[in-house]
Amino acid sequence: GAVVSQHPSWVICKSGTSVKIECRSLDFQATTMFWYRQFPKQSLMLMATSNEGSKATYEQGVEKDKFLINHASLTLSTLTVTSAHPEDSSFYICSAPPDSYNEQFFGPGTRLTVL
Amino acid sequence: QKEVEQDPGPLSVPEGAIVSLNCTYSNSAFQYFMWYRQYSRKGPELLMYTYSSGNKEDGRFTAQVDKSSKYISLFIRDSQPSDSATYLCALLGGRALTFGSGTRLQVQP
Repeated sequence: GAVVSQHPSWVICKSGTSVKIECRSLDFQATTMFWYRQFPKQSLMLMATSNEGSKATYEQGVEKDKFLINHASLTLSTLTVTSAHPEDSSFYICSAPPDSYNEQFFGPGTRLTVL
Repeated sequence: QKEVEQDPGPLSVPEGAIVSLNCTYSNSAFQYFMWYRQYSRKGPELLMYTYSSGNKEDGRFTAQVDKSSKYISLFIRDSQPSDSATYLCALLGGRALTFGSGTRLQVQP
């Protein structure tokens, strides 16, 4: 299957700081990428859809000013958690479809801990 | 009511057992049905996807879809300890996936 990477895999930051998470498609181009959040022992919840060359689409209840998404190229989308707080601590995962949306591949995830 | 319901388990079975994992959904707009496997602290791994009602087999895994009942299943034959993970059903009606809550499976050696 296609390969999606994320960086960093794990980050700890102080409350009030910003954290940037990268999602890369390594062997294919992706005009669309998806960002999910997963709390412990819970399922993945879609946060936003990242669109190359245009604004991201956010799900209801997700603050666009807090979770900044940039899809600057066909292989890279970034999620910046601004002014992070302890309640933002979670597992953030991105996905990308190489071809059709019914075959999406996920990155390994980024564990964010905000102190 | 959630769009996708999945028994969270945990489900514990002996090695070699047949495992049945299930999801029900309420929205008829879902057209594609996927099963992902997720190991602890890792991203989900796509196992199988199906479109139409019926069965699809891939090695020890069989995915079953019944659109009339809005019910999907994943069967694992000859289960192995390495199958121990959380299994997530995911449904596609547009572009993004809607996930079930996941079922934690433990295969005992």
